Amino acid sequence: EPEVTQTPSHQVTQMGQEVILRCVPISNHLYFYWYRQILGQKVEFLVSFYNNEISEKSEIFDDQFSVERPDGSNFTLKIRSTKLEDSAMYFCASGANSNQPQHFGDGTRLSIL
Amino acid sequence: QKEVEQNSGPLSVPEGAIASLNCTYSDRVSQSFFWYRQYSGKSPELIMSIYSNGDKEDGRFTAQLNKASQYVSLLIRDSQPSDSATYLCAVEGRGGADGLTFGKGTHLIIQP
Repeated sequence: EPEVTQTPSHQVTQMGQEVILRCVPISNHLYFYWYRQILGQKVEFLVSFYNNEISEKSEIFDDQFSVERPDGSNFTLKIRSTKLEDSAMYFCASGANSNQPQHFGDGTRLSIL
Repeated sequence: QKEVEQNSGPLSVPEGAIASLNCTYSDRVSQSFFWYRQYSGKSPELIMSIYSNGDKEDGRFTAQLNKASQYVSLLIRDSQPSDSATYLCAVEGRGGADGLTFGKGTHLIIQP
């Protein structure tokens, strides 16, 4: 069964550094998403991406964050100047169409020291 | 501010019994509703989707939706110890590429 793949599974970074989290969505899906889950808290929406542009973003997704689809398969989340509070699990998800179920990758655990 | 509310539990159910999980949402224009299962340290795994009022059954799982009451539920029949997990209710809004709004989840424990 097709799946969303994320790399790396765990990223440890010094505060202030930039990180790039990578995702390969399911191949025939058109909608791509990033979510985060701080330990012990609920899953929070960050951003959605469709037709090579951001479709919707939450209040969390400020100027520190950016997304890109550099080629036909990858979808990346860049976090500039990381802060301690950016430590969380980051999940990529994709959906075949709007309102269709979103399928999640295994996540990247980001630890900011 | 869209809100999705769930009882955090833990909800303890004997093996073989029916587990009933509930969720309410605040945004009346929400159109799509999902149940995800999340094991500790893992990613959300889609269990059920429901879009119209009424019941939808898939194996041991039944999702129920009542848009007038802004209420979604999930029933798990013949509960198994492997069903022990946190169940997340997720709601999508007006369509397009809306992100999902998740509840905090209900921690379900199936007692052997």
